[in-house]
Parts: sequence; structure tokens; C-alpha cells
Amino acid sequence: AQSVTQLDSHVSVSEGTPVLLRCNYSSSYSPSLFWYVQHPNKGLQLLLKYTSAATLVKGINGFEAEFKKSETSFHLTKPSAHMSDAAEYFCVVSVYGGSQGNLIFGKGTKLSVKP
Amino acid sequence: KAGVTQTPRYLIKTRGQQVTLSCSPISGHRSVSWYQQTPGQGLQFLFEYFSETQRNKGNFPGRFSGRQFSNSRSEMNVSTLELGDSALYLCASSGATEETQYFGPGTRLLVL
Repeated sequence: AQSVTQLDSHVSVSEGTPVLLRCNYSSSYSPSLFWYVQHPNKGLQLLLKYTSAATLVKGINGFEAEFKKSETSFHLTKPSAHMSDAAEYFCVVSVYGGSQGNLIFGKGTKLSVKP
Repeated sequence: KAGVTQTPRYLIKTRGQQVTLSCSPISGHRSVSWYQQTPGQGLQFLFEYFSETQRNKGNFPGRFSGRQFSNSRSEMNVSTLELGDSALYLCASSGATEETQYFGPGTRLLVL
């Protein structure tokens, strides 16, 4: 069965320092993986997606993620945090139907950015 | 291209009432999925509609229902509201051959 595990429920960084949000996945086939961001009281915005074309995926707002099959990981990084990055981030794996729908969401990681 | 829109953005209802939420997908998208988001349970899948047919359904009681119209707009209905139905309801649309879902801003429902 497909699943994602976000290893940290909360990450706090200082402005200008690197961001690392960790995600491990479980899939019986080569998965499609996504990172979404949700700012307070907003919907989810797609940051980036991996669909097997390249293991290093660049997204919006300077974020990128690397797919590592050997480690079953898809960690999200950004070289330098900005105050506007404070939000909740969801790692998501695509599945094919079922009662969980077409997307399996991690529990989310809340990113705090200190000035 | 306009994004996914949801109306209304905020709703306050009382227990026992019913509510209808609306979602307009991105132009050309024929798949619409609905999710409930709560602090305790996170994001939970409600159902997916494609070309006016329910293609997939989550584990929610029958009080939660939906439909999709010929223009791909979708509505979800919750009857006999309970306090636990207070949540952010998100809809997302995707193209026919695309896995990526694009989310609307959500409707925040408060049941008193």
C-alpha cells in the first residue's frame, strides 16, 4: 500500500537559513510525488511534483526536492528561508483510486520562520 | 486561466441543518475531488467526480453527498449537520489525464 510519512510535525528556522522538510514514502511501484503548501486559512498550493523525469525537482519560490529511491525519500529543501515561507507543508503520493482517493497526504509539517 | 473557485468561503450553521457547497474547477478540467480538513484528522478524501459520475468515494457517512454538472461544476451537500462536521472543505480539480490536483481556497464551515 502507498503511504507517506512526514518525519517532523514542526520545524523552526531563522530567516536566511536553509530549510529541510523530510518525507519518506512507501510505494509498490514508481510513484508520483508532490509537495503542497498551505498558508493559514488558504487552500493548498502546488510547490512541485516528481513524475520520474528527473530526480531533482525544482518548484516555485526557490524550493526543490530530491527523489531518492534507495532511501524512499522525497525531502523538500530551500537554501534560504523567508518569512513568507511560514506555512504548513504536505508531502503527497499519487495512487490509483480507492477509498483514500487519488492522493495520499502526509500529516503535514508546520514551518516557522524566526526573524 | 482562472483557478479553482469555491463558494461560499465561510458558513455558520446549526446542528441538524443542511448545507450545500459549490466548486468551479479550472476550465477544461473534468475531475473534481472533495476533501475535509480538520486539525485532528488532517486531510480526508470525501469523493471524486468525473464527467458527472462519482468515480471514487471515501469513508464518510451517507449524510455527505455530491454531484457534478455537465459544465464540471460540482456541489457537495451535508445533511443533518453535526458539530464534528466543522471543518475546511477543499475541492480540487484535475485534467483527464493528469494526476496533479489544483486546489481551491476552501469553504470554512462552522457548526454550532
